[in-house]
Formats: sequence, structure tokens, C-alpha cells
Amino acid sequence: GQQLNQSPQSMFIQEGEDVSMNCTSSSIFNTWLWYKQEPGEGPVLLIALYKAGELTSNGRLTAQFGITRKDSFLNISASIPSDVGIYFCAGQGGTSYGKLTFGQGTILTVHP
Amino acid sequence: GAVVSQHPSRVICKSGTSVKIECRSLDFQATTMFWYRQFPKKSLMLMATSNEGSKATYEQGVEKDKFLINHASLTLSTLTVTSAHPEDSSFYICSARGKGGEKLFFGSGTQLSVL
Repeated sequence: GQQLNQSPQSMFIQEGEDVSMNCTSSSIFNTWLWYKQEPGEGPVLLIALYKAGELTSNGRLTAQFGITRKDSFLNISASIPSDVGIYFCAGQGGTSYGKLTFGQGTILTVHP
Repeated sequence: GAVVSQHPSRVICKSGTSVKIECRSLDFQATTMFWYRQFPKKSLMLMATSNEGSKATYEQGVEKDKFLINHASLTLSTLTVTSAHPEDSSFYICSARGKGGEKLFFGSGTQLSVL
């Protein structure tokens, strides 16, 4: 089946630093999504990418859909303490909309 | 925006009992709902896809007789963990999408602890 490799697994950074994480896949996805999850909560959508090469921003977050359709990255600029959480990439392939394959997650810790 | 309500948020039960988790779409009709399972600090693993009015489609390795899914209406899907055992303890999350909609919304999850 499809697999997503997300890295890094965890990051410990100082407030104000920029963050970058990425996902790669062994197969092509039609849509890439980035979610943030906080303890005891469901994932919350941050950015959705629908076209290869697409670069999309949401405030301090920027994500890109790789040209090969097998990878995506998420950047967070000028991190703040409330950015703490687990970030997941998710890919959707084929015609079954909503059936997502998730990456392993990146645990982000921001020190004030 | 659209909201998906999941209930209960936390449940503790004895081994051998059955537990029902509800997932409701509050302001849209969810033609398809998805059920995920998540272990601490791990990824979400899709368990099954639930379409209104039809049988759920289970992912490989997921026991359909263990995890009963019912999607009886366009706003409600339920997951019943039957004869729960400690190894069933996990965080269960639903998601829902509307007909023709491109957006997918997640519930807030249910933490199941089986003693």
C-alpha cells in the first residue's frame, strides 16, 4: 500500500526560529494536506495542496506540492510557543476522496 | 465552518464490554465518513470507510466483526468496539465529507481505555 515518510520525527527549537518538515511517498498523490494535532484532539487542517508545484501560504505557514507529486514540505516561519503540537502530512490518491494516508508525524516543541 | 462532533470524548470500560462511539456532522450531510485509530504519538491509521446506507469498507487487517460500523443517516456514523480488550485501548477519530465537497472535517476523537 501507499506509504508516507515524514521527517523529522521531532524538533526542539527556540521561539522565533523557522521550521521545516517534509514528506515523501513511494507513489503519486493527487492531493497533499498538512494537519496539526494537539493532545486529545482531532487533526486540524492547516493547508491543502491540489496541484503539482503549488505553493500555498497560510499566515506564517507555507507548503508546497512537489512537482513529482511524491513529496511535499511545510515551513513555519518565526515560530511561537503555540505552534507546539504534532504536524502530519497526508496524501490522497485515486478517486476515493477523503481516504487519507498519513505520515508518521513531526512533534514540534518550541522553547520560549 | 462545518463541524463534526464525536462523542464520547473519553470512555473507560471493563474488558469484555462493548463501546459505541458516535460521529455526527452538525451542519452538512456527510455521505462518507472515515474511522481512524491512533496510538500515542503515532500516526492515524485508517480503519474503515463508511458510506451512508451501505456496508462499511474495512482496511486490511481490521476485524469487521470486532469494529462494527453503522452509517444509518447522512449525519451519523457509529463505531462499536465489541467485546473490548485492553489492546483495543486507543484514540479513535472520525472524519466526514459531504457530497461533492472537497473538504474533509475531523472529529475531536475518543480516547478508549479498556481495563
